[in-house]
Amino acid sequence: QKEVEQNSGPLSVPEGAIASLNCTYSDRGSQSFFWYRQYSGKSPELIMFIYSNGDKEDGRFTAQLNKASQYVSLLIRDSQPSDSATYLCAVIASNTGKLIFGQGTTLQVKP
Amino acid sequence: SQTIHQWPATLVQPVGSPLSLECTVEGTSNPNLYWYRQAAGRGLQLLFYSVGIGQISSEVPQNLSASRPQDRQFILSSKKLLLSDSGFYLCAWRTRDRNYGYTFGSGTRLTVV
Repeated sequence: QKEVEQNSGPLSVPEGAIASLNCTYSDRGSQSFFWYRQYSGKSPELIMFIYSNGDKEDGRFTAQLNKASQYVSLLIRDSQPSDSATYLCAVIASNTGKLIFGQGTTLQVKP
Repeated sequence: SQTIHQWPATLVQPVGSPLSLECTVEGTSNPNLYWYRQAAGRGLQLLFYSVGIGQISSEVPQNLSASRPQDRQFILSSKKLLLSDSGFYLCAWRTRDRNYGYTFGSGTRLTVV
């Protein structure tokens, strides 16, 4: 079992729709969770972090965390073509403190 | 504010040639520093990390080495490049607080020919 798992996609949604990106992790002791956005040919950019169970909203982005189910998600409302990118889920390992990345989900928003 | 600089942006090197990639961080002290590689269409692979000057931990045995000669400087090197060393190399930093995520530099795209 991979430490952080994501569906590689691509996930295709029409412009204006809600995009839902999902991530599961294996380390029950993890406390900190992150979402990065990576445009093609560019470096990853941190867009959201969440530490507590529940939802955290920032503009069009909502991160959701369920520690009991070991599940993190990212919702993007009113998706725009400019949101087309690979989204990386990352979790801080409880034993080492290192950030463990998933393989990423490619999102395509079609006009 | 903190910034991270990485250069060069692109590099084409012949097989067997040496490599030196440099990364510097500004606006912070005692950062944790990381080198990642991302092969085409693949995920991020942690190569090295450092928690202080002269302290290097290697994650994957390979043809590369890293050094940290100054607090905010991290260097990735190779004596002889292989074709398999091609990829997108990313430097990242984080404060000592493990609750924070990493901030990445702009990356170096290395093509070994």
